[in-house]
Amino acid sequence: DQQVKQNSPSLSVQEGRISILNCDYTNSMFDYFLWYKKYPAEGPTFLISISSIKDKNEDGRFTVFLNKSAKHLSLHIVPSQPGDSAVYFCAASDGGTSYGKLTFGQGTILTVHP
Amino acid sequence: KAGVTQTPRYLIKTRGQQVTLSCSPISGHRSVSWYQQTPGQGLQFLFEYFSETQRNKGNFPGRFSGRQFSNSRSEMNVSTLELGDSALYLCASSSDRVLYEQYFGPGTRLTVT
Repeated sequence: DQQVKQNSPSLSVQEGRISILNCDYTNSMFDYFLWYKKYPAEGPTFLISISSIKDKNEDGRFTVFLNKSAKHLSLHIVPSQPGDSAVYFCAASDGGTSYGKLTFGQGTILTVHP
Repeated sequence: KAGVTQTPRYLIKTRGQQVTLSCSPISGHRSVSWYQQTPGQGLQFLFEYFSETQRNKGNFPGRFSGRQFSNSRSEMNVSTLELGDSALYLCASSSDRVLYEQYFGPGTRLTVT
């Protein structure tokens, strides 16, 4: 039972344009959502997070949007740069004593072409 | 501030052996979580330790165990290794202030032959 899903295995974008990465979840108990970027053979790098009481959070070129009624979140990267090429994972936590347990999606490979 | 460190970075073991992996969290972080990443299953939660106590556990067999020391450093152990245990093992730590934001180490690549 996959509680966090990233339905697009890959996304290709031109440098300078917007990259939109999507994630859906099924567990209504999830309270916090995060996005990570990962290069092969390295650990994930934390990018941005959002709590369920908000619908948007921005940090520089990265913005995360949360639609609780649709159980959907997205990561916008504007403008996209070739260095953004990596695998992006969304993750969710249901808070309480389960803060330390993140449930991850399968990842989306983002390629930004110069 | 130094990041999460994991040792060793690479390991080759034979089926049936056991292995111990080590993780040092970011200074001041008391929560340490472990994950397994494989091509087929993605990133899966193993367990989480907080102040030397296991607080959460994922759906892995009892061959996978861990512990945390008083300085928050953590170890995980896998006994009776199977070929399917070949994976990247990742450790992450988080602060008391923002428990859900986890910061990952570089991982240990375990190959079982």
